[in-house]
Amino acid sequence: NAGVTQTPKFRVLKTGQSMTLLCAQDMNHEYMYWYRQDPGMGLRLIHYSVGEGTTAKGEVPDGYNVSRLKKQNFLLGLESAAPSQTSVYFCASSRRLAGGSFYEQYFGPGTRLTVT
Amino acid sequence: EDQVTQSPEALRLQEGESSSLNCSYTVSGLRGLFWYRQDPGKGPEFLFTLYSAGEEKEKERLKATLTKKESFLHITAPKPEDSATYLCAVQPMYSGGGADGLTFGKGTHLIIQP
Repeated sequence: NAGVTQTPKFRVLKTGQSMTLLCAQDMNHEYMYWYRQDPGMGLRLIHYSVGEGTTAKGEVPDGYNVSRLKKQNFLLGLESAAPSQTSVYFCASSRRLAGGSFYEQYFGPGTRLTVT
Repeated sequence: EDQVTQSPEALRLQEGESSSLNCSYTVSGLRGLFWYRQDPGKGPEFLFTLYSAGEEKEKERLKATLTKKESFLHITAPKPEDSATYLCAVQPMYSGGGADGLTFGKGTHLIIQP
């Protein structure tokens, strides 16, 4: 199993450009998440998905859009990049235990994005 | 608002010098508390899940414990390869039936010197 993979690993954008980050998981997990990690801030949730075709906003959703067309993929889009979106982006996935408990989340290796 | 505070921010130990990392949390109800390890340039790696006060989990030189207000990650006789940032996160009880993401602390940067 590759686990959670992310592409690209690094990217530099100019202000106003757009891009899509791809996350793929081969663990058949129902839930997928996008986080950003900034120095001194910890990981913060951007968007998440509880299943194919469904998405929801997290703590810091502004400026981002997501799609989950296939169970194994979760895409994060930046329509018009801003310097404030310079960050390291992590995708994660998890399965849900029957009865409402939650399993741990497994993280990808991250995408380092710089917006100039 | 859910809050997770980790202390200390950074800790430098000699190889073999045991210590503990603290994670204090404030949530309306705790569904689970998670510990992760993060190496530079990598994604967080899952270590433990704790669900209820009094619970303990162990893995090699690490032991995680949980009370109603905080969790500790005890490191016994650490080795240089234990150097990493250790992250604590909580899953609140009120997750609306969905899969709201975790609330993370800022982490403790641990350095083990040979």
